[in-house]
Amino acid sequence: GAVVSQHPSWVICKSGTSVKIECRSLDFQATTMFWYRQFPKQSLMLMATSNEGSKATYEQGVEKDKFLINHASLTLSTLTVTSAHPEDSSFYICSARVPSGGAVQETQYFGPGTRLLVL
Amino acid sequence: AQSVTQLDSHVSVSEGTPVLLRCNYSSSYSPSLFWYVQHPNKGLQLLLKYTSAATLVKGINGFEAEFKKSETSFHLTKPSAHMSDAAEYFCVVSDRSNDYKLSFGAGTTVTVRA
Repeated sequence: GAVVSQHPSWVICKSGTSVKIECRSLDFQATTMFWYRQFPKQSLMLMATSNEGSKATYEQGVEKDKFLINHASLTLSTLTVTSAHPEDSSFYICSARVPSGGAVQETQYFGPGTRLLVL
Repeated sequence: AQSVTQLDSHVSVSEGTPVLLRCNYSSSYSPSLFWYVQHPNKGLQLLLKYTSAATLVKGINGFEAEFKKSETSFHLTKPSAHMSDAAEYFCVVSDRSNDYKLSFGAGTTVTVRA
Protein backbone atom coordinates (compact mmCIF):
# COMPACT_ATOMS: atom_id res chain seq x y z
CA GLY A 1 0.00 0.00 0.00
CA ALA A 2 0.84 3.75 0.03
CA VAL A 3 2.10 3.95 -3.54
CA VAL A 4 2.71 7.30 -5.18
CA SER A 5 3.34 7.64 -8.89
CA GLN A 6 4.66 10.50 -10.99
CA HIS A 7 4.38 11.17 -14.68
CA PRO A 8 6.42 11.71 -16.71
CA SER A 9 9.57 10.16 -15.26
CA TRP A 10 11.69 12.44 -17.38
CA VAL A 11 11.06 15.31 -19.78
CA ILE A 12 13.15 17.47 -22.08
CA CYS A 13 11.70 20.76 -23.25
CA LYS A 14 12.73 23.94 -24.96
CA SER A 15 13.29 27.14 -23.04
CA GLY A 16 10.10 29.18 -22.77
CA THR A 17 7.68 26.26 -22.86
CA SER A 18 5.58 24.97 -19.95
CA VAL A 19 5.80 21.50 -18.48
CA LYS A 20 3.20 19.70 -16.37
CA ILE A 21 4.13 16.98 -13.89
CA GLU A 22 1.49 14.74 -12.33
CA CYS A 23 1.58 13.15 -8.90
CA ARG A 24 -0.95 10.46 -8.04
CA SER A 25 -1.68 8.48 -4.90
CA LEU A 26 -2.63 5.06 -6.27
CA ASP A 27 -4.17 3.24 -3.33
CA PHE A 28 -5.19 5.95 -0.89
CA GLN A 29 -6.67 9.41 -0.82
CA ALA A 30 -4.31 12.23 0.03
CA THR A 31 -5.68 15.57 1.18
CA THR A 32 -2.14 16.89 1.35
CA MET A 33 0.67 16.42 -1.13
CA PHE A 34 4.08 18.04 -1.22
CA TRP A 35 6.42 19.09 -4.02
CA TYR A 36 10.19 18.99 -3.58
CA ARG A 37 13.12 19.92 -5.72
CA GLN A 38 16.47 18.17 -5.59
CA PHE A 39 19.70 19.39 -7.18
CA PRO A 40 22.46 16.88 -7.99
CA LYS A 41 24.05 15.39 -4.88
CA GLN A 42 21.97 17.61 -2.60
CA SER A 43 19.12 17.08 -0.23
CA LEU A 44 15.46 17.72 -0.94
CA MET A 45 14.09 21.24 -0.77
CA LEU A 46 10.39 21.67 -0.06
CA MET A 47 8.79 23.91 -2.67
CA ALA A 48 5.13 23.88 -1.70
CA THR A 49 2.31 22.12 0.09
CA SER A 50 -0.62 21.13 -2.06
CA ASN A 51 -4.01 20.95 -0.37
CA GLU A 52 -7.01 19.38 -2.07
CA GLY A 53 -9.62 21.98 -2.90
CA SER A 54 -7.60 25.00 -1.83
CA LYS A 55 -4.62 27.06 -2.88
CA ALA A 56 -1.13 25.68 -2.46
CA THR A 57 1.17 27.05 0.20
CA TYR A 58 4.59 27.99 -1.13
CA GLU A 59 7.84 28.05 0.78
CA GLN A 60 9.80 31.27 1.03
CA GLY A 61 11.69 32.04 -2.15
CA VAL A 62 9.57 29.83 -4.42
CA GLU A 63 7.76 31.76 -7.16
CA LYS A 64 4.10 30.75 -7.14
CA ASP A 65 3.54 32.14 -10.64
CA LYS A 66 6.45 30.11 -11.92
CA PHE A 67 5.48 26.84 -10.29
CA LEU A 68 1.72 26.40 -10.54
CA ILE A 69 0.22 23.73 -8.33
CA ASN A 70 -3.25 22.29 -8.65
CA HIS A 71 -4.74 19.66 -6.35
CA ALA A 72 -8.03 18.99 -8.08
CA SER A 73 -8.84 15.64 -6.50
CA LEU A 74 -7.90 13.51 -3.52
CA THR A 75 -5.55 11.43 -5.66
CA LEU A 76 -3.98 13.93 -8.04
CA SER A 77 -1.75 16.97 -7.72
CA THR A 78 -0.04 18.66 -10.65
CA LEU A 79 2.99 20.93 -10.83
CA THR A 80 3.33 23.11 -13.90
CA VAL A 81 6.65 24.79 -14.56
CA THR A 82 5.71 27.82 -16.62
CA SER A 83 8.04 29.44 -19.16
CA ALA A 84 10.77 27.02 -18.22
CA HIS A 85 14.41 28.08 -18.38
CA PRO A 86 17.63 26.05 -18.10
CA GLU A 87 17.97 26.97 -14.40
CA ASP A 88 14.68 25.14 -13.79
CA SER A 89 16.33 21.87 -14.78
CA SER A 90 16.18 19.64 -11.75
CA PHE A 91 14.74 16.49 -10.19
CA TYR A 92 11.21 17.14 -8.93
CA ILE A 93 9.74 14.76 -6.36
CA CYS A 94 6.26 14.70 -4.92
CA SER A 95 5.02 13.06 -1.76
CA ALA A 96 1.66 12.32 -0.24
CA ARG A 97 0.75 12.19 3.40
CA VAL A 98 -1.16 9.07 4.39
CA PRO A 99 -4.13 10.08 6.52
CA SER A 100 -4.63 8.39 9.87
CA GLY A 101 -7.47 9.58 12.01
CA GLY A 102 -6.81 13.22 11.18
CA ALA A 103 -3.40 13.39 12.83
CA VAL A 104 -1.03 15.52 10.76
CA GLN A 105 2.14 13.74 11.66
CA GLU A 106 1.52 10.80 9.38
CA THR A 107 4.24 9.45 7.19
CA GLN A 108 4.91 10.89 3.77
CA TYR A 109 5.35 8.51 0.86
CA PHE A 110 7.34 9.66 -2.12
CA GLY A 111 6.90 9.36 -5.84
CA PRO A 112 9.76 8.15 -8.07
CA GLY A 113 10.59 11.67 -9.23
CA THR A 114 10.60 13.53 -12.54
CA ARG A 115 13.81 14.69 -14.13
CA LEU A 116 13.35 17.91 -16.08
CA LEU A 117 15.91 19.16 -18.57
CA VAL A 118 15.32 22.55 -20.16
CA LEU A 119 17.37 23.27 -23.25
CA ALA B 1 12.27 25.12 14.33
CA GLN B 2 13.44 21.57 13.91
CA SER B 3 16.63 20.51 12.15
CA VAL B 4 18.74 17.47 11.43
CA THR B 5 22.49 16.97 11.18
CA GLN B 6 23.89 13.91 9.49
CA LEU B 7 27.39 13.58 10.83
CA ASP B 8 28.91 11.72 7.88
CA SER B 9 28.59 12.79 4.27
CA HIS B 10 30.07 9.51 3.04
CA VAL B 11 30.38 6.06 4.60
CA SER B 12 32.26 3.20 2.96
CA VAL B 13 31.92 -0.37 4.25
CA SER B 14 32.82 -3.85 3.10
CA GLU B 15 30.05 -6.26 2.21
CA GLY B 16 29.04 -8.28 5.25
CA THR B 17 30.27 -5.72 7.80
CA PRO B 18 28.09 -3.46 9.99
CA VAL B 19 26.79 -0.11 8.81
CA LEU B 20 26.34 2.91 11.08
CA LEU B 21 24.84 6.17 9.85
CA ARG B 22 24.77 8.93 12.44
CA CYS B 23 22.03 11.51 12.84
CA ASN B 24 21.45 14.20 15.46
CA TYR B 25 18.27 16.22 15.59
CA SER B 26 17.01 19.41 17.14
CA SER B 27 13.38 19.85 18.11
CA SER B 28 11.48 21.80 20.75
CA TYR B 29 8.58 19.37 20.69
CA SER B 30 8.05 15.64 20.52
CA PRO B 31 9.56 14.85 17.14
CA SER B 32 8.79 12.23 14.58
CA LEU B 33 11.97 10.88 13.01
CA PHE B 34 12.44 9.01 9.78
CA TRP B 35 15.15 7.40 7.68
CA TYR B 36 14.63 7.33 3.93
CA VAL B 37 16.84 5.72 1.27
CA GLN B 38 17.27 6.97 -2.28
CA HIS B 39 18.85 4.90 -5.00
CA PRO B 40 20.29 6.75 -8.03
CA ASN B 41 17.67 8.60 -10.05
CA LYS B 42 14.88 7.20 -7.89
CA GLY B 43 12.43 8.58 -5.38
CA LEU B 44 12.69 8.06 -1.64
CA GLN B 45 11.76 4.86 0.13
CA LEU B 46 10.86 4.82 3.81
CA LEU B 47 13.18 2.58 5.84
CA LEU B 48 11.72 3.20 9.27
CA LYS B 49 10.09 5.80 11.49
CA TYR B 50 9.90 6.79 15.14
CA THR B 51 6.73 8.44 16.42
CA SER B 52 6.96 8.29 20.24
CA ALA B 53 6.42 4.57 20.62
CA ALA B 54 9.29 2.09 21.17
CA THR B 55 12.69 3.78 21.08
CA LEU B 56 14.28 0.92 19.13
CA VAL B 57 12.69 0.91 15.72
CA LYS B 58 13.04 -1.91 13.24
CA GLY B 59 12.67 -1.19 9.56
CA ILE B 60 12.88 -2.91 6.24
CA ASN B 61 15.88 -4.74 4.80
CA GLY B 62 17.44 -5.39 8.20
CA PHE B 63 17.85 -1.75 9.23
CA GLU B 64 17.07 -0.45 12.68
CA ALA B 65 17.47 2.83 14.54
CA GLU B 66 17.43 3.86 18.17
CA PHE B 67 15.88 7.09 19.41
CA LYS B 68 17.97 8.54 22.26
CA LYS B 69 16.38 11.66 23.65
CA SER B 70 19.24 12.40 26.05
CA GLU B 71 21.67 12.45 23.14
CA THR B 72 19.19 13.87 20.58
CA SER B 73 20.29 11.13 18.25
CA PHE B 74 18.62 8.71 15.86
CA HIS B 75 21.42 6.60 14.40
CA LEU B 76 20.72 4.00 11.72
CA THR B 77 22.40 0.61 11.81
CA LYS B 78 22.49 -2.66 9.92
CA PRO B 79 24.52 -5.64 11.13
CA SER B 80 25.64 -6.85 7.71
CA ALA B 81 25.86 -4.66 4.61
CA HIS B 82 24.78 -5.90 1.22
CA MET B 83 25.83 -4.56 -2.15
CA SER B 84 22.25 -3.39 -2.74
CA ASP B 85 22.55 -1.07 0.29
CA ALA B 86 24.72 1.31 -1.73
CA ALA B 87 22.57 4.45 -1.92
CA GLU B 88 21.91 7.88 -0.40
CA TYR B 89 20.35 7.92 3.06
CA PHE B 90 18.40 10.81 4.55
CA CYS B 91 17.56 11.39 8.19
CA VAL B 92 14.37 13.43 8.50
CA VAL B 93 12.58 15.14 11.39
CA SER B 94 9.16 16.68 11.74
CA ASP B 95 7.26 18.27 14.60
CA ARG B 96 4.34 20.59 15.18
CA SER B 97 6.47 23.74 15.06
CA ASN B 98 6.37 23.62 11.25
CA ASP B 99 3.00 21.94 10.66
CA TYR B 100 4.80 18.59 10.54
CA LYS B 101 6.62 19.44 7.33
CA LEU B 102 9.71 17.31 6.82
CA SER B 103 13.18 18.70 7.46
CA PHE B 104 15.88 16.74 5.70
CA GLY B 105 19.46 16.15 6.63
CA ALA B 106 22.12 16.69 3.97
CA GLY B 107 22.32 12.98 3.27
CA THR B 108 24.91 10.24 3.68
CA THR B 109 26.25 8.38 0.67
CA VAL B 110 26.90 4.71 1.41
CA THR B 111 29.39 2.77 -0.67
CA VAL B 112 29.67 -1.00 -0.27
CA ARG B 113 32.93 -2.70 -1.25
CA ALA B 114 32.91 -6.27 -2.48
